[in-house]
This record gives sequence, C-alpha cells and structure tokens, in this order.
Amino acid sequence: DTGVSQDPRHKITKRGQNVTFRCDPISEHNRLYWYRQTLGQGPEFLTYFQNEAQLEKSRLLSDRFSAERPKGSFSTLEIQRTEQGDSAMYLCASSPQPGLAGGREQYFGPGTRLTVT
Amino acid sequence: ELKVEQNPLFLSMQEGKNYTIYCNYSTTSDRLYWYRQDPGKSLESLFVLLSNGAVKQEGRLMASLDTKARLSTLHITAAVHDLSATYFCAFGNYQLIWGAGTKLIIKP
Repeated sequence: DTGVSQDPRHKITKRGQNVTFRCDPISEHNRLYWYRQTLGQGPEFLTYFQNEAQLEKSRLLSDRFSAERPKGSFSTLEIQRTEQGDSAMYLCASSPQPGLAGGREQYFGPGTRLTVT
Repeated sequence: ELKVEQNPLFLSMQEGKNYTIYCNYSTTSDRLYWYRQDPGKSLESLFVLLSNGAVKQEGRLMASLDTKARLSTLHITAAVHDLSATYFCAFGNYQLIWGAGTKLIIKP
C-alpha cells in the first residue's frame, strides 16, 4: 500500500451543484479523517470515523456536508448546493489503531482541490 | 477556546543559520505534532511528541515539548535550501487543532 489516495485531485464546479470526493485510506488503518484547508491557513477538522462509525463532526460543518464510510474502508465526502466559500483543499487522512506507544499519527492524502465558480 | 499560535508566521533566512519556530497551544494535550507542507502538496508528518520533555531529531530539525508551558519548538540547525516549506504544529487526540503555519524561505 502506497498511502492515502484521494479522487479526484481537482474539481471545478458551478455554484449550486453537488460534488462528491472519495478517500481510500491506508489499508490497515481503522481511523479516517476529513479536513479542509484554505490558502494560507492550517487545516480545519471536519469529521472522523472509526471503522464505519462517524465519531466526531465539527460544529462548523453545515448541513450541506455529509460524509460516509459504509464498510469501514473508503470514505466519501459530499457537498450539496456548493457555494463559493466552499472552495478549498479537502484533505483526507488515516491513522492506525492506537497502541501503547501512540499510533495516532495521521497520514495525509494528496487532497482534492475544489473550485466553485 | 481550542487554539494554536505559531510564530513567526513568515521567516526568511540564509543558508547555514539557525532558527526556532514556536508553537503555543491552549489546553493540555498528550500529543503534539509537527508537519511539513510544500507548495501545492499535502502534509508530511515530521514529529509526534508524546510527553513532557520529549525531544526528537531528524537531520537538521529538532522538536521539543514542554507540556507545562504548553509550548513546542522546532529548531532548525544550519539551514539548507531544501528545508524551505511551510511548517505546521497541531495538537489533540483525534480531532487535531492546527496552527496557521510558518512559511520558511531559506536563501542560498
């Protein structure tokens, strides 16, 4: 396994359209995270899963955003009725089951850059 | 409020010099992370600091953690051009809180 992969890498959409992004984590990792990053800023947490269960969701996340991880493997992030303010890099990360010495290090994918026109 | 403050936010330095990036975080955390990001690229993990007094070194980079002061530092020794990037610190358990990043430019 070569790491976390994301698809597509770039997406240009018109305001009001729906978009869906996919993330494939490192195969043995049971935790999966979504972040959003705008230019010149640090990543902003959106949500995370342990296996198929969505355990945390940011209060900043509007109802237009939804994420799933139905079989505890890949995950999708959907944005409905996109707005120009949704333009950002959407990053996915995964981490393994934590052990005594740690195991919470998050490994990031290349990101999906969304541009809403 | 959970927050992370990095300083400086921008640093331009000459090759061969030493410098330190500071990261203050707002609440107790058992983990502090440093990541590197090159322009247009994703985030690469550099260090995970797990306990008070932890120090880790990789090449010309050394990170330390003082949990009592809620302070981590990333020290660069004898900087080289290849270290030019944006460096982020983050803390937390699973939901990481991130600093704004320090953009480091190292001039030959």
